[in-house]
Amino acid sequence: QVQLQESGPGLVKPSETLSLTCTVSGGSVSSGSYYWTWSRQPPGKGLEWIGYIYNSGSTNYNPPLKSRVTISLDTSKNQFSLKLSSVTAADSAVYYCAREAYNYGSGYYYYMDVWGKGTTVTVSS
Amino acid sequence: DIQMTQSPSSLSASVGDRVTITCRASQSISSYLNWYQWKPGKAPKLLIYAASSLQSGVPSRFSGSGSGTDFTLTISSLQPEDFATYYCQQSYSIPRTFGQGTKVEIK
Repeated sequence: QVQLQESGPGLVKPSETLSLTCTVSGGSVSSGSYYWTWSRQPPGKGLEWIGYIYNSGSTNYNPPLKSRVTISLDTSKNQFSLKLSSVTAADSAVYYCAREAYNYGSGYYYYMDVWGKGTTVTVSS
Repeated sequence: DIQMTQSPSSLSASVGDRVTITCRASQSISSYLNWYQWKPGKAPKLLIYAASSLQSGVPSRFSGSGSGTDFTLTISSLQPEDFATYYCQQSYSIPRTFGQGTKVEIK
C-alpha cells in the first residue's frame, strides 16, 4: 500500500525559499503512470493545486505560482520535492503531496488517490 | 481556470440521514469530477472519481452522479465516521481546481 509523508521546515522567513519533501513508501516514484502533485490550503481558505511532476520529469504548474515553483523528483531516495521561492505570509498554508493516477474509460479520468497528511508551513520573521 | 462551487458550505445531520452535496463547474467538465473526504490530522481520502465511480474500499453508501456542470455526492445513510469535510475537484483541465468544501457536522 503506497503511503506519502511530507517533511520540511514548519517556519520560513519572508523572501526565503520554502522547501518540502514528500517521501513515498510502498511504491516507486519512477514506476507506473503517475503524476506526483503538490497542493496547499491557507488557513481559512480553499485548496489550491500547485503543480505536478511526471515520472519522466515533465512538470506542470499553476500559472499564478509558476515563476516561483519548482517540483523535482529524486528516484534514488524515492522522493519528490517542492521549492517555492520569495515567500510571503500569503504562502502560509498546510501543504499536501498526493499521487495522481488515471483510469481509462471513455477518456483519461485523473484523480488523486493517495495523499499525505499534510504539513503546516508558516511564513514569518 | 474552471471554478468549482459547492453547496451548502456546511450542514448538520443525524446518523442515518441521507445527505446530498452539490458541486457546480463554471463550464462543462463532462464527467471529470472527483470527490474527497477530509478529516483533521488524517490523509485526505478519494471517494468518487469520474463523477460516479466508487474508489476501491469506499463504502457503498457513498455515490456520485452528474455530468457537464452539475454534480452530486450522496451519502445514503450517514454514519458516525462520515462527519468530515467533503471537496469536489475537476480533472478536466490544468490547473486542477477544488470546490470550497462542505463540512458535515453532527446535529
